[in-house]
Amino acid sequence: SQQGEEDPQALSIQEGENATMNCSYKTSINNLQWYRQNSGRGLVHLILIRSNEREKHSGRLRVTLDTSKKSSSLLITASRAADTASYFCATDGGGGGNKLTFGTGTQLKVEL
Amino acid sequence: GAVVSQHPSWVICKSGTSVKIECRSLDFQATTMFWYRQFPKQSLMLMATSNEGSKATYEQGVEKDKFLINHASLTLSTLTVTSAHPEDSSFYICSARDYFSGANVLTFGAGSRLTVL
Repeated sequence: SQQGEEDPQALSIQEGENATMNCSYKTSINNLQWYRQNSGRGLVHLILIRSNEREKHSGRLRVTLDTSKKSSSLLITASRAADTASYFCATDGGGGGNKLTFGTGTQLKVEL
Repeated sequence: GAVVSQHPSWVICKSGTSVKIECRSLDFQATTMFWYRQFPKQSLMLMATSNEGSKATYEQGVEKDKFLINHASLTLSTLTVTSAHPEDSSFYICSARDYFSGANVLTFGAGSRLTVL
């Protein structure tokens, strides 16, 4: 079952602006991950944040995690047209099977 | 980095036929692979967990006899959609975890778009 809810469902911004996507989840986690999917393609792992971490950076990506609120955010700074894609959060509950539960996704469009 | 190859990338078949999709880990061993189904503009729905050398674990509501999964080696898992019907048309994606990477990060195949006429 999908436990992650993401908002907004769709986001359209101009190149150079920052894009923020939010993810909420329902159960305890070991870590939370963000993936990107270009249209009609598989997903690509972007960044992982562990449950004992509050913020993590990778290039133009900044991820925050608030376990008390069961929420995470992904910030893409200085967006580019090439950032246009769908972004999914995924939670790792740490149970057997290594299953990740994916959120509903945010469709980001960066316009020139 | 880890690479997962998925074939075919698209397939069109007639109703009632069976279609096989392959998922290969190219440079790592994957004891576990996952199969997902994705509808347009929706999230991934986990169908089953494919375990090397043992039976797949299916999610609730997924028909085992409809979606046959075989994981015969550490680098190959196959999904066979049997007696396909138009409602089986979808985007199917596999993923694998590099066990020795130390983190539960998945590497995805590029997906297979199935169209059943």
